[in-house]
Amino acid sequence: EIVLTQSPGTLSLSPGERATLSCRASQSVSSSYLAWYQQKAGQAPRLLIYGASSRATGIPDRFSASGSGTDFTLTISRLEPEDFAVYYCQQYGGSPRTFGQGTKVEIK
Amino acid sequence: QVQLLESGPGLVKPSGTLSLTCTISGGSVGSSNWWSWVRQPPGKGLEWIGKIYHSGNTNYNPSLKSRATISIDKSKNSFSLTLSSVTAADTAVYFCARSYDFWTDYYPNWGQGTLVTVSS
Repeated sequence: EIVLTQSPGTLSLSPGERATLSCRASQSVSSSYLAWYQQKAGQAPRLLIYGASSRATGIPDRFSASGSGTDFTLTISRLEPEDFAVYYCQQYGGSPRTFGQGTKVEIK
Repeated sequence: QVQLLESGPGLVKPSGTLSLTCTISGGSVGSSNWWSWVRQPPGKGLEWIGKIYHSGNTNYNPSLKSRATISIDKSKNSFSLTLSSVTAADTAVYFCARSYDFWTDYYPNWGQGTLVTVSS
């Protein structure tokens, strides 16, 4: 099983600041099969990124992602009020599919 | 635009069986997608339970120790999850989700989720 470790656990930032979230895999994620999701309280996760760096339909370009192998990063260039949420990475290259434990981006 | 809706009992007794259905609208269970279940205990992260293809092929998370079964009902355009021998640790919001396609199961489409509590 591929274990995904996200850091930091919580990121305290102000609107307009840049957020950098990390997702590290216990073994290489094949074909960069890594996705990122945003989840707000009481809602289902929302797909942001797939294939490690491709934005999903309708996702603003302030969200970007990169990485390969075992190290992946999600960047939010300038935080908007609606971006404060929990973010999860998920790998779909190995079985079982696994998620990271999440990074909470909170208002400072 | 495909929509998914989970349904089922919100309360299950310990040692009992949890049964949930995900009804699909705006799409077909026979399409080239995997249909999955993901759960989230209160205040915790996401756990992948398993998936099914319309051919009947399934894949499960070994952490559930064979307690999970996912099935498809083409006549009702839905798929279901049963989880046996439940304990309080199975209390969670259960989401159904559709993969992007057969080859790549990240999840653009999710149901709203349904809370299942295991308690006597």
